[in-house]
This record gives sequence, C-alpha cells and structure tokens, in this order.
Amino acid sequence: GESVGLHLPTLSVQEGDNSIINCAYSNSASDYFIWYKQESGKGPQFIIDIRSNMDKRQGQRVTVLLNKTVKHLSLQIAATQPGDSAVYFCAEKRNTGFQKLVFGTGTRLLVSP
Amino acid sequence: ETGVTQSPTHLIKTRGQQVTLRCSSQSGHNTVSWYQQALGQGPQFIFQYYREEENGRGNFPPRFSGLQFPNYSSELNVNALELDDSALYLCASSQKDFQETQYFGPGTRLLVL
Repeated sequence: GESVGLHLPTLSVQEGDNSIINCAYSNSASDYFIWYKQESGKGPQFIIDIRSNMDKRQGQRVTVLLNKTVKHLSLQIAATQPGDSAVYFCAEKRNTGFQKLVFGTGTRLLVSP
Repeated sequence: ETGVTQSPTHLIKTRGQQVTLRCSSQSGHNTVSWYQQALGQGPQFIFQYYREEENGRGNFPPRFSGLQFPNYSSELNVNALELDDSALYLCASSQKDFQETQYFGPGTRLLVL
C-alpha cells in the first residue's frame, strides 16, 4: 500500500553540525507534508510544513526540501544542538473528506556534545 | 507546549477490560483526532471528531469508539482490551480546514497485561 517512510532509523551528529533527515513517499498525488519532532515522553511537536507547489521552505534553523520528481523530502537542521535530540517524523496530510496524518516510522537524531 | 491536555498520563489494564481516555482540545479548535503509537512506530490514525460526530475513521475495529462534547473535548473508549492495544494514545486538535495544523497532546500510555 501507499506509505510514507524514512531512510535511516538513527542519525548521530556532533553538536554544531548540520543534520539532514530524509523521507520518501510513494503517493504521487501527495501534496502536503509536515515534519514533527517527538521528544521522549511527549507528543509530536509541529516543526514545519510544505505543500507540493513549493520545493523549499525555511524556518528557524530548519529547512525542508521537496523533490516531487523522486518523491523525496528532507529536513535540514542547521547548527544542531543537544536539545534537537529526538525522533523526527515526516507525515503526509491526506484529505479524504477529512484531514488525517499518515506518519512514517521516524528517525532518531542523537546529538553529542 | 500546545494547549492540548490528556488524562490519565499512564494506565495499566488487563485483557478484556474497558478503558476511557480523555482529551481537552486547544482553545479555538473544533476538531479532535486520535492516534495510536506503538513502541518504535509512528502514530496511526484511529478516528476524527468534528461537531460531536465521527468525521472519519482509520483501520481500527469497532471496539475503538469515541465521543466529542459541546466544548470540543473528546474521549476514546476501547472495549475488550487486547495485549496489542498497549501503546501511546495521542490526541490532536485543530480547526477543520485542511490547511490547519494538528497539535498533539502529551499522550496516554496504556499497558495491557
């Protein structure tokens, strides 16, 4: 079936490095993606979203890139900090008469000082 | 922190029992969605409530049911609990419009023994 997935289960970086978390999707009709951050013991926290009419969107220290040709999106975190350590999910927002989020399995980002 | 709250934070039940989980939505939000997150997995959509009615449903059996109240708070009920129901249950509130973001609560961790 259609899915949203992530390339790597764990990403380890040094504090101050840039991090790139990747996500692939299979539904070519997908047009709305969201990145969530989930810290241990907490619910997912909205980071940034992007629609298919864009190929790049920037927030504070974060950039999301969308490549519709290869059905791939990435989350780039600049100057990664220990507080960025968490599991990151990409999610597709689907509109089937109601909005629902379809999540991938997540990538754990570990930031060492 | 979002304005979404959930109770209880943790719960232990035995197989066959019934459980009720509660969610208070963020101020101004009229839609509540429920998700199940198994350990090490991304959240899976259970159902969504809008104007006190089920607005959409994922691939979950009828023993998963819910309610939404006039103040937009919501309950998730699970009957005849099974071991596989052990998970983190998340609610997310939003406005109904497709472009509106879903904001998650901290979740209720349910353990079924």
